[in-house]
Amino acid sequence: EVQLVQSGAEVKKPGESLKISCKGSGYSFGSYWIGWARQMPGKGLEWMGIISPDDSDTRYNPSFRGQVTISADKSINTAYLQWSSLRASDTAIYYCARRVTYYVSTGSKNYFDPWGQGTLVTVSS
Amino acid sequence: AIQMTQSPSSLSASVGDRVTISCRASEGIRNDLGWYQQKPGKAPKLLIYAVSSLQSGVPSRFSGSGSGTDFTLTINSLQPEDFATYYCLQDYNFPYTFGQGTKLEI
Repeated sequence: EVQLVQSGAEVKKPGESLKISCKGSGYSFGSYWIGWARQMPGKGLEWMGIISPDDSDTRYNPSFRGQVTISADKSINTAYLQWSSLRASDTAIYYCARRVTYYVSTGSKNYFDPWGQGTLVTVSS
Repeated sequence: AIQMTQSPSSLSASVGDRVTISCRASEGIRNDLGWYQQKPGKAPKLLIYAVSSLQSGVPSRFSGSGSGTDFTLTINSLQPEDFATYYCLQDYNFPYTFGQGTKLEI
C-alpha cells in the first residue's frame, strides 16, 4: 500500500524552530515529487511548495519562500518541512502529498495522491 | 500566480440531488486541474484529475468537465457521505494554487 505518514502534533513557542516529517512507503520514494500544503484553522488549503526527493530540486510558492524550508532525504524515504523561527500565524495543519506524473501525447499530467494524515502545529506563548 | 476562483463557497443540498461546483482560472491552464474532497478532521482525497479522469475507487456519480479557464465538478445523486468540502487545484504551473473551497452541507 502506498502511503505517507507524517510526524505527530507539535506545540511550540514563538521564535522556536521546528522540523516536521513525511515518510513514504510502498513505492519508489525518489521517483515522485512531494508537495506540502497548509490549512490554517477553519480555512482552505494553500499550496506551499514541492520537492523532488531524487535531486532535491525545490519549488516554493513565493508566499512561503523564506518562511519555510522544504527538504528531503531519499535514503530514508522522508521529506521535511522546517521553520527556523515560528510565529503564532504558523499555527495550522500541514499536509504532504505525493505528486504522480504521467505522460500523454500533449505532455505531462499530474495529480496528488496519496496525502499524509496531516501534522497540527500550534504556536503559542 | 494563477488565481483559482471557486463558487459557490457553500452549498446546501439534499440526498439524491445533483450539484455542480465551478472553478475559474485567471488564465488558461489547459486541462491541468484536479478536484479534491476533504471531510472534517481528515486529509484531502483525490477525486478527479486532468479535469475529467476519475480516480480509481471514486464513485461514478462524480464527474468533471471544462477546459481552458472554466471547470466544473458535478455530483449526481448526492449520498450522505458526499457532504464535505471540495477544492480545485491547478497544476499547470508553479506555484500550484487551490480554489477557496466549497462546503457542501445538508
